[in-house]
Amino acid sequence: ETGVTQSPTHLIKTRGQQVTLRCSSQSGHNTVSWYQQALGQGPQFIFQYYREEENGRGNFPPRFSGLQFPNYSSELNVNALELDDSALYLCASSLEGSNSPLHFGNGTRLTVT
Amino acid sequence: GNSVTQMEGPVTLSEEAFLTINCTYTATGYPSLFWYVQYPGEGLQLLLKATKADDKGSNKGFEATYRKETTSFHLEKGSVQVSDSAVYFCALNRPGSARQLTFGSGTQLTVLP
Repeated sequence: ETGVTQSPTHLIKTRGQQVTLRCSSQSGHNTVSWYQQALGQGPQFIFQYYREEENGRGNFPPRFSGLQFPNYSSELNVNALELDDSALYLCASSLEGSNSPLHFGNGTRLTVT
Repeated sequence: GNSVTQMEGPVTLSEEAFLTINCTYTATGYPSLFWYVQYPGEGLQLLLKATKADDKGSNKGFEATYRKETTSFHLEKGSVQVSDSAVYFCALNRPGSARQLTFGSGTQLTVLP
């Protein structure tokens, strides 16, 4: 069974640029969630996707957007990067259903300079 | 809104010592409660969970009991090992959405041989 994989593992961008982060779900999982984890903090929920549509969003501005593809993989896009966007971005996949646990990837470390 | 408050770290213990990491929460409705663990360089792993009041979650020698009267979900282990060194996160879900987790800020645990 292949777990959740994220790419790239590390990324450095300049303020004002745009970035795309990628996530491959664990085999058979049809729901993807994205979290932002600032240094020394707990993860914060950004949004989740199910059947290629966003069906839940946290307190993040519209410049954070995403996609889910028919194979359930997902992208997180961030426009107009700010210094405070520097963080570890975690993707988690799960099956549909309230008792289905989240399976997290190892994350993408984004540094904005 | 929902929030989770964790005991501040870091926590340093000797091998075989007793561990308690405090967690209290504020939530509307009846959330499920979770403990996640993050080993260096890795994503989050679900350690244990409890879905209703008085439930006890347990895994790998760790335990936590859902206490509605004190809004707490303290993590305990009777005898820690060096391999337990990690960051521990308490979390709750928004009722009706199992994947929208609210995390505490995490507690770094270091176990010395």
